[in-house]
Amino acid sequence: EDKVVQSPLSLVVHEGDTVTLNCSYEVTNFRSLLWYKQEKKAPTFLFMLTSSGIEKKSGRLSSILDKKELFSILNITATQTGDSAIYLCAVTGTSYGKLTFGQGTILTVHP
Amino acid sequence: DTGVSQDPRHKITKRGQNVTFRCDPISEHNRLYWYRQTLGQGPEFLTYFQNEAQLEKSRLLSDRFSAERPKGSFSTLEIQRTEQGDSAMYLCASSLAAGEQFFGPGTRLTVL
Repeated sequence: EDKVVQSPLSLVVHEGDTVTLNCSYEVTNFRSLLWYKQEKKAPTFLFMLTSSGIEKKSGRLSSILDKKELFSILNITATQTGDSAIYLCAVTGTSYGKLTFGQGTILTVHP
Repeated sequence: DTGVSQDPRHKITKRGQNVTFRCDPISEHNRLYWYRQTLGQGPEFLTYFQNEAQLEKSRLLSDRFSAERPKGSFSTLEIQRTEQGDSAMYLCASSLAAGEQFFGPGTRLTVL
């Protein structure tokens, strides 16, 4: 059964700090890894990663995948209070359509 | 608004009643997914459709749950004889082929 583990489960920082969120996975026939941001509503898509070593970047957020070690990280630099949310990691495998999610990391950014 | 929409946004029902939720995907998306999310957990996969064909169902989807996508556009998820354990957020997502999935706002179900 596919499995995704995220760490830490929660993180409290101050504005301006840089954070690194971790995601490790076990999946049969890996196809892609996705990051989502969830505030008090549905998850919002951030990144989709399929190849190792290629960094995806969007503003202050970036992510990279290591398919050999079976993990991904999501970096957020110069955090802002608006970054406070749950960050979800998910993978697709043999079942191409199904996303298997981790438990999420709750990020709280204080002013 | 061209995103995924869901209706209703909130549903309160008594145990034993049937409920039905609707999802309208992004118009050009051929894949539609249903997930369930409880507090403190990531979404759990329930089922997905490619056009009108239901391609996979989770073991979580008991025989009280049924989903349809009759014309390959909107989808409905019905829960019969609801139980308190069915209380959750029901999320719908859509994608173009195997691309990234975009989520709707969800339907929050409370079973009393």
